[in-house]
Amino acid sequence: QKEVEQDPGPLSVPEGAIVSLNCTYSNSAFQYFMWYRQYSRKGPELLMYTYSSGNKEDGRFTAQVDKSSKYISLFIRDSQPSDSATYLCAIGPGGYNKLIFGAGTRLAVHP
Amino acid sequence: EAGVAQSPRYKIIEKRQSVAFWCNPISGHATLYWYQQILGQGPKLLIQFQNNGVVDDSQLPKDRFSAERLKGVDSTLKIQPAKLEDSAVYLCASSLGPGADTEAFFGQGTRLTVV
Repeated sequence: QKEVEQDPGPLSVPEGAIVSLNCTYSNSAFQYFMWYRQYSRKGPELLMYTYSSGNKEDGRFTAQVDKSSKYISLFIRDSQPSDSATYLCAIGPGGYNKLIFGAGTRLAVHP
Repeated sequence: EAGVAQSPRYKIIEKRQSVAFWCNPISGHATLYWYQQILGQGPKLLIQFQNNGVVDDSQLPKDRFSAERLKGVDSTLKIQPAKLEDSAVYLCASSLGPGADTEAFFGQGTRLTVV
């Protein structure tokens, strides 16, 4: 079993839709949960970061962590074509910054 | 503020040849990472430096990969000899510190194709 599982998609939605991206993880010791966005031929950039269960909101983005189910989600409201990218979840055990990345979900938002 | 600089952007080599990648982190960032991202997969940490010391190289294939950060600033990653399965994007990242709560900034990567 992989430490972090993420549906690779691709996911295609119309502009304005609500997008839900998800990851599951296996190790209950993981404490840090991040979402990165990666545009084609670019490096990943940090979108959201949390270390606790619950929701964290930043503009159109909401990150949700359920430690009891070992499940994390990223919601994008009012999706825009500029949101078209690959979204990577990254989970860390704490201490040194040794993040374990999911495979990434490719999202396409069409006008 | 300048970001993480990597060169070259693209490299094509034949198997069994050697190749080197260069990374210049954001100024003042003590922690530097090299990741390997195979097509369709997430980045995998190869090696992490804190200043010029190695913090974690547990996933670095040491029989063929080597990395150094001699003066605690820029870094090079070398592959010798290359195999077909080394075809990937090699990402360099840097952060102020080593903690998981410290944001890592990524460069654009070097896309390596081994033929």
